[in-house]
Amino acid sequence: AQRVTQPEKLLSVFKGAPVELKCNYSYSGSPELFWYVQYSRQRLQLLLRHISRESIKGFTADLNKGETSFHLKKPFAQEEDSAMYYCALRGAGGTSYGKLTFGQGTILTVHP
Amino acid sequence: NAGVTQTPKFRILKIGQSMTLQCAQDMNHNYMYWYRQDPGMGLKLIYYSVGAGITDKGEVPNGYNVSRSTTEDFPLRLELAAPSQTSVYFCASSYWMGQGMSQPQHFGDGTRLSIL
Repeated sequence: AQRVTQPEKLLSVFKGAPVELKCNYSYSGSPELFWYVQYSRQRLQLLLRHISRESIKGFTADLNKGETSFHLKKPFAQEEDSAMYYCALRGAGGTSYGKLTFGQGTILTVHP
Repeated sequence: NAGVTQTPKFRILKIGQSMTLQCAQDMNHNYMYWYRQDPGMGLKLIYYSVGAGITDKGEVPNGYNVSRSTTEDFPLRLELAAPSQTSVYFCASSYWMGQGMSQPQHFGDGTRLSIL
């Protein structure tokens, strides 16, 4: 069974401080990992996917297969980064049908 | 393109009532999904569909039904509303590119449902 764990429900930092949102997963094959962000009362938006290896809004995430982790990092947090962040896993292969397994989410608050 | 459109945005139901949450996408996506979002629980998959006429259960299907008569629409029906179904419901869609690969899911704005 696949599972995604985000150990921190709440994370508070000050503006300009580095931030790291943790995500660990369990999956027997080679998964696809995603980070979705949900700003206050808005729809979920894709932030990053591991296969793209890109930086969006200053955020990066590296898939570490040895540690089964996909932590989200930003060197200098901004107030507008305050949101709910979800880590999600999609199994490989056609039988996964693109289904996502989500972590519990982390609410990030960036204080001025 | 409107993307994924969900209606209504808010609804209050009494226990035992029924209702249908509407979801439509205009991106010609073949895969569609329904999730519920509960505080501290993340999103749980209720039902999904890989094309018109094909649906299957997700992780938490009890108390819900779906249909997929067209590519665009994927309504979610609650037959006998219960307080445990109070949640925020999100519809999502994506495009299957073959060889087991699909694009990231696009989400609607959500429907906030309260059962009293």
